[in-house]
Amino acid sequence: GAGVSQSPSNKVTEKGKDVELRCDPISGHTALYWYRQSLGQGLEFLIYFQGNSAPDKSGLPSDRFSAERTGGSVSTLTIQRTQQEDSAVYLCASSLIAGANYGYTFGSGTRLTVV
Amino acid sequence: QKEVEQDPGPLSVPEGAIVSLNCTYSNSAFQYFMWYRQYSRKGPELLMYTYSSGNKEDGRFTAQVDKSSKYISLFIRDSQPSDSATYLCAMSGNDYKLSFGAGTTVTVRA
Repeated sequence: GAGVSQSPSNKVTEKGKDVELRCDPISGHTALYWYRQSLGQGLEFLIYFQGNSAPDKSGLPSDRFSAERTGGSVSTLTIQRTQQEDSAVYLCASSLIAGANYGYTFGSGTRLTVV
Repeated sequence: QKEVEQDPGPLSVPEGAIVSLNCTYSNSAFQYFMWYRQYSRKGPELLMYTYSSGNKEDGRFTAQVDKSSKYISLFIRDSQPSDSATYLCAMSGNDYKLSFGAGTTVTVRA
């Protein structure tokens, strides 16, 4: 596609429920990243994919968070047993080649609210 | 202490004014410096990119990097209401991970 597409754009869920957030990167982009943006905070790195592999998961806050990427394309971020502190905007980005200096293209994000 | 510090503002200026934004950082390994612009309910978009120290100009935008002081700046000349957004500084060493400032919210009043 022309840009990075994320769905849903908004998600309200009850505490304790599981949620899945989807990212469809730019076609041909081998690197994919997930970041989290909390109110008043900068973007926080979560995970990096190169193809279908995730060589860096160091930013995932807890074992309730997991992510996968299939076919070198679509990625899903799953949050199990959601907590109120998980409320944030989850942003996905992709780049042609891994490396921040090549420039990321971000999606519009999924705004997650846990009530 | 955060790795990247950025005053969140908000900053309100009249149309035509110069907007001055800045960030400080602590990691001397950073060598790629970026400014992203984020409109409400949208993802960040890359505005300016600078490698190492120096200045870069693109139209009304000028980015400056002073690695000796660990200080970066973004200037917007002849500001327009359409420049109203949140501006995020971001930086990286020689890898894929970006470290972001908290963002400064700018409003340009018509």
